Amino acid sequence: GAGVSQTPSNKVTEKGKYVELRCDPISGHTALYWYRQSLGQGPEFLIYFQGTGAADDSGLPNDRFFAVRPEGSVSTLKIQRTERGDSAMYLCASSLTHSSGANVLTFGAGSRLTVL
Amino acid sequence: DQQVKQNSPSLSVQEGRISILNCDYTNSMFDYFLWYKKYPAEGPTFLISISSIKDKNEDGRFTVFLNKSAKHLSLHIVPSQPGDSAVYFCAASIPGTGNQFYFGTGTSLTVIP
Repeated sequence: GAGVSQTPSNKVTEKGKYVELRCDPISGHTALYWYRQSLGQGPEFLIYFQGTGAADDSGLPNDRFFAVRPEGSVSTLKIQRTERGDSAMYLCASSLTHSSGANVLTFGAGSRLTVL
Repeated sequence: DQQVKQNSPSLSVQEGRISILNCDYTNSMFDYFLWYKKYPAEGPTFLISISSIKDKNEDGRFTVFLNKSAKHLSLHIVPSQPGDSAVYFCAASIPGTGNQFYFGTGTSLTVIP
């Protein structure tokens, strides 16, 4: 696609529920990132995929968070037993990995999650 | 532990004047820096980048300066336009790792017509 697409744009759920957030990266971008942005903060790294595998998941806050990218394109961020503190904007980004290792991330518009 | 800091949460500038947004970092391993601009209800969009082998990079009205010894970078916008009003994030990474970008907390720029 022309840009990074994220769905849903807004999700309101109740504490304890399960949530899935979807990201469709730019076609041909091998690297995919999930970030979380809380109010008044900058984006905070969650997980990075290179192809189908999670190359770095060190930013996931706990085992309630999980992400997959089974075919190396679309990715789903899954949050189990949601808590009010999970409320944030979840941003997905993709990039081509440059030979120098210097990447430029292209972000989607984000999925705003509100846990009541 | 905030490794990239933007100490000014907001900045107001008159149209036509220069806007200077500042960013400090603590990790000396950072070697690649980017500025992103974010409008409400949109994701951050890439603006300009700089590698540590340079101390300046220019793209039209936007110039980024890097002072490695001070671990400081700044974004200059000249002349500022009302459409530049947005939140600006500075970000840093360690090339070769390809994974983590560390973002500052952002500076909200308002350009007054």
